[in-house]
Amino acid sequence: SQTIHQWPATLVQPVGSPLSLECTVEGTSNPNLYWYRQAAGRGLQLLFYSVGIGQISSEVPQNLSASRPQDRQFILSSKKLLLSDSGFYLCAWSVLLADTQYFGPGTRLTVL
Amino acid sequence: AQKVTQAQTEISVVEKEDVTLDCVYETRDTTYYLFWYKQPPSGELVFLIRRNSFDEQNEISGRYSWNFQKSTSSFNFTITASQVVDSAVYFCALTLSGTYKYIFGTGTRLKVLA
Repeated sequence: SQTIHQWPATLVQPVGSPLSLECTVEGTSNPNLYWYRQAAGRGLQLLFYSVGIGQISSEVPQNLSASRPQDRQFILSSKKLLLSDSGFYLCAWSVLLADTQYFGPGTRLTVL
Repeated sequence: AQKVTQAQTEISVVEKEDVTLDCVYETRDTTYYLFWYKQPPSGELVFLIRRNSFDEQNEISGRYSWNFQKSTSSFNFTITASQVVDSAVYFCALTLSGTYKYIFGTGTRLKVLA
């Protein structure tokens, strides 16, 4: 069966520090991968999606970036965090477009 | 443009009551998919159901049931005999055939009181 992992689970970082969040999927090949952000008490915002290694599409301009160095690994990064980057970051995967997306456990990021 | 509206921001019920969560969607496409997800306090989104636009059959899974009506562009979710463990935020979502992007509603927070 397929599983999706995210780490770390929680993170507290100072403003201006770098960020690296990791997501890995097991049990499937060539998944579509997604990064979402959920601000406190709000809905989900799609940040990036990827249909293959090295293929990244950005949904919103921001100081975050994403990379997919391996088939089942998706990384969310920032060189300098802003206060507004605080939130709950969710990684998801799907087999096909318009298919069910399965979400990871999330990373709660607090920028101070 | 596509849109998903969950007008109920928060609902509180007493355990064993039935509760219906509303979802209204907008799209001009004829082929689309609708979803419900549950987000418990732990934060992870748990997939509940996927329905395609050509299948208007209602679905029942245990205490959960879904009513899909294209005539009113609604995909409502009913929990029968609610339990405290049902307390969560529930999201409705829409995606179009051949696309990657989900359009999420803003969610409904359900509180089931013992």
